[in-house]
Amino acid sequence: DAKTTQPPSMDCAEGRAANLPCNHSTISGNEYVYWYRQIHSQGPQYIIHGLKNNETNEMASLIITEDRKSSTLILPHATLRDTAVYYCIVRVRWGNSGGSNYKLTFGKGTLLTVNP
Amino acid sequence: ETGVTQSPTHLIKTRGQQVTLRCSSQSGHNTVSWYQQALGQGPQFIFQYYREEENGRGNFPPRFSGLQFPNYSSELNVNALELDDSALYLCASSLDRSTDTQYFGPGTRLTVL
Repeated sequence: DAKTTQPPSMDCAEGRAANLPCNHSTISGNEYVYWYRQIHSQGPQYIIHGLKNNETNEMASLIITEDRKSSTLILPHATLRDTAVYYCIVRVRWGNSGGSNYKLTFGKGTLLTVNP
Repeated sequence: ETGVTQSPTHLIKTRGQQVTLRCSSQSGHNTVSWYQQALGQGPQFIFQYYREEENGRGNFPPRFSGLQFPNYSSELNVNALELDDSALYLCASSLDRSTDTQYFGPGTRLTVL
């Protein structure tokens, strides 16, 4: 499985941009990078995903380096409610038989604390 | 559109007992995955169901089993509960096994005494 490396924790001031890094140096060419977050004791929430190009949605932006070995999740204007554990995941193709089956392999993520 | 729901929210069992956890997938989703999350750890994949068949499993013993029903809802059954089974159990649904995004439910907190 492609593995990811994230810092265990980060702080950010409210209203500022939060930039969360992730290394995935063993990623294969057709593997996507996914970001989820988990607010204390709730289910993980999907944020964004990408393959090669930078992506943006209403929650965040995802910047993937040209060699695809690392990426950065950007929360443009962090609020207190963005305090959570953020998981960077490389979606891995697997399965009992042929076909496109996928699973998510979570690490420990980055605890982002947004401070007032 | 209804999201993924799970029941019960919390559960307390004793060692050796059996437990059944339930998950209703998001409308239109035919694939359900189950994860176990121990305290302080990321979720760990247990198994996945696609169109009522187990589609693969992670490194969990056979006493972890599941079902998926024709309406794509799912159950996770754990027999002979052990103390280490205490965890948050998460269910995630996706549109299809070959598509990308998995959407998670709120989880069931299981405590084994």
